Amino acid sequence: DTGVSQDPRHKITKRGQNVTFRCDPISEHNRLYWYRQTLGQGPEFLTYFQNEAQLEKSRLLSDRFSAERPKGSFSTLEIQRTEQGDSAMYLCASSLAESGYGYTFGSGTRLTVV
Amino acid sequence: GDSVTQMEGPVTLSEEAFLTINCTYTATGYPSLFWYVQYPGEGLQLLLKATKADDKGSNKGFEATYRKETTSFHLEKGSVQVSDSAVYFCALYRGFQKLVFGTGTRLLVSP
Repeated sequence: DTGVSQDPRHKITKRGQNVTFRCDPISEHNRLYWYRQTLGQGPEFLTYFQNEAQLEKSRLLSDRFSAERPKGSFSTLEIQRTEQGDSAMYLCASSLAESGYGYTFGSGTRLTVV
Repeated sequence: GDSVTQMEGPVTLSEEAFLTINCTYTATGYPSLFWYVQYPGEGLQLLLKATKADDKGSNKGFEATYRKETTSFHLEKGSVQVSDSAVYFCALYRGFQKLVFGTGTRLLVSP
């Protein structure tokens, strides 16, 4: 197992376009998390899944954001009608529910909206 | 709500110097505390953790002690290396499936 994989590593998009990111967690992990990290700040929680169920969403996750984990394995995060304020690093992490806080983070997708 | 406060950086040191990065937290109950490290262009790596008061987390020469009386979890290393240059994040976990991070402290170590 190579850990948590995120794709793409970098994405540059024009304002107003839609973008989608993918996260492949560690295969035996049943929890998956998305965080957003803006420049000079620490990561902020966006949402998490247990298996395929999305159990919590932060108020940071506006209506333009949607996340899915259709088969309880990989997850996608889509941003519609991107804005310059969406420019950030989007981090995915996974864990086993039983481990509580045993997160493993991916390398992130850096989004730049121009 | 829960929060983590870290000293502002950058912290600039010469190789082999002693490192301290301060971290204090605000939370009800008994959170678990963590230090994560982020190298340029990479995601977060867990450096060390402590789950209860007076626990000392340690890894790769770094140490931090969970001080409930001062609500602190300061990161220390006796002799830093150039390869330690990175951004260090203090974080807490109080359940509810989310980590709460500080804003990070950049460490720059020169030869």
